[in-house]
Formats: sequence, structure tokens, C-alpha cells
Amino acid sequence: AQKVTQAQTEISVVEKEDVTLDCVYETRDTTYYLFWYKQPPSGELVFLIRRNSFDEQNEISGRYSWNFQKSTSSFNFTITASQVVDSAVYFCALSFYFGSGTKLNVKP
Amino acid sequence: NAGVMQNPRHLVRRRGQEARLRCSPMKGHSHVYWYRQLPEEGLKFMVYLQKENIIDESGMPKERFSAEFPKEGPSILRIQQVVRGDSAAYFCASSLPTENTEAFFGQGTRLTVV
Repeated sequence: AQKVTQAQTEISVVEKEDVTLDCVYETRDTTYYLFWYKQPPSGELVFLIRRNSFDEQNEISGRYSWNFQKSTSSFNFTITASQVVDSAVYFCALSFYFGSGTKLNVKP
Repeated sequence: NAGVMQNPRHLVRRRGQEARLRCSPMKGHSHVYWYRQLPEEGLKFMVYLQKENIIDESGMPKERFSAEFPKEGPSILRIQQVVRGDSAAYFCASSLPTENTEAFFGQGTRLTVV
């Protein structure tokens, strides 16, 4: 069975703080893909990143970085120097199965 | 705009009526996914379709809900005899035929059952 767990329901930080969103997954597949999506208050869903199970290199894109660790079945997402515009719900997904999301509130 | 198009954006139905939600995938995309999002909750997978085939419907309620993706035309999510608990945002996503590419989402249909 495929399962994604985002244990943090809601996180509040002050602008410029770093924040890490956790994602733990379960799968029996040896080949799989992980995703992060962002859902801002406007409601649309925006793709952020895709990672396949053979690529454990961490990735950095501007203030965003992702830490994929197969040994712990985790694919965590860090926002450095958070900004108010980062306030959104962030979803981790394994293939097309989504976690329950983490709501990030960044306060000025 | 060549993105995923969902219509209507807002739909109001009385209890017992039928709701039909439409999704036109992006050009070249033959995989379609439907999700339901209750207020303040996450995205719950409902069904995964390819043209004329249901690939995975493990998230679909057993009764009243059905989905199709015909050879021609949009994908349709149909809810018969709606109840208040069906009120939610329904999102459609599409992806390329290649497995496990990212999915592109429509803006959702907000269904309100009164």
C-alpha cells in the first residue's frame, strides 16, 4: 500500500526563520516518485519538485531545498529565510497519493 | 491558456440531485486524476483514469460516485443523489502518458449541496 504521512498539521513561523516540513512515505515499490506541491490561499495547486527513488541527491532551488533519505523513507522540505508569501498548504505526494498537507503560516 | 480546465468552478445542488464535474486535461495528457478536498483538509485521491480506462478507483466511494474519461471529450466525475457531506472542492489533475511525471492541476470545482 502507498501511504504518505505529514505529521505536522500546521506550523507558524516569523518571517526570515527557516522551516522544515516533514514527509514520511511507505511503499513496497522499488521504483517510485515523490513530489511536493504548494497550495496558496487562492486555492490552486502548484508543482514544486519531483524526485525519483534512485536519486538521493539533495536539491536546492533558491530558498527551497529538499532532503530525500531512502533509509528513513523521508522526503523533507526546507524553506530558508521564510517570507509571508510562503504561507500556504504544502503537500507531499508519492506518485498520485497525497499526504494530508502541512499548513505553513509565516508572520511578518 | 492550455492548462487543465475544470468546469463549472462553482456548482450548487440540492440534496438528491446529480452533480457532473468536467475536466479537460492539458493538451497531450492522457492521464487524469480526481481528488476531493474538504474544508481545511488535505487532498484525498479518488480515481485515476486513462482514456477509456479506469486504472485505480481505490479512493472512490462505493456508491453514487462514478468517473469516466472517454476517447473524445472531457473526463466527467458524476455524483448521484448528492448529500450535504459531498460539499467539497473537487480537483482534477492531468499528466503525460509517461508514468510518474508531475501532475498539473485545474482550479477545482467547488460543490455546495444545499
